[in-house]
Amino acid sequence: GAGVSQSPSNKVTEKGKDVELRCDPISGHTALYWYRQSLGQGLEFLIYFQGNSAPDKSGLPSDRFSAERTGGSVSTLTIQRTQQEDSAVYLCASSRDIRGYTFGSGTRLTVV
Amino acid sequence: SQKIEQNSEALNIQEGKTATLTCNYTNYSPAYLQWYRQDPGRGPVFLLLIRENEKEKRKERLKVTFDTTLKQSLFHITASQPADSATYLCALEGPGYALNFGKGTSLLVTP
Repeated sequence: GAGVSQSPSNKVTEKGKDVELRCDPISGHTALYWYRQSLGQGLEFLIYFQGNSAPDKSGLPSDRFSAERTGGSVSTLTIQRTQQEDSAVYLCASSRDIRGYTFGSGTRLTVV
Repeated sequence: SQKIEQNSEALNIQEGKTATLTCNYTNYSPAYLQWYRQDPGRGPVFLLLIRENEKEKRKERLKVTFDTTLKQSLFHITASQPADSATYLCALEGPGYALNFGKGTSLLVTP
């Protein structure tokens, strides 16, 4: 596609439920990244994919967070047993190499 | 630990003036540095990349300098316009290939 597409754009979920966030990167971009941004805070790195493999998962905050990427394209970030501190904007970016990321508009997650 | 520091105070300037934003870093040996713009409710947008062997880079009204001795980058917007109002982020490659971002500086250009 022309840009990075994320869905849903907004998600309100009850504490303890699982959520799945989707990212559709730019076609041909082999690198894909997930970040999250809490209100008034900077971007916090979560995970990096090169193709279908994730050489860097160091930013995942707990084992409730997982991500996968299939076919070198779409990625899903799953948060299990959501907590209120998980509320944030989750941003996905892709790039052809490690420079000049293209970001999506994000998914605003609210855990109530 | 690695740190990227940007002025947390918002920068307010008058239209037509030059805006200068600062990015300082510690415990990085970057091959390059990037600047992004973020508008409310949107993801960051890539503006410029400057390599360690480049002292200065320009793109239209934007100018970036990179001093690896001072561990600092300066981002200038000349002839600023209200449409330039946004948060500007600098970014460096972290230890695991992904970029680490500063918290950004908010710029407000008033007519």
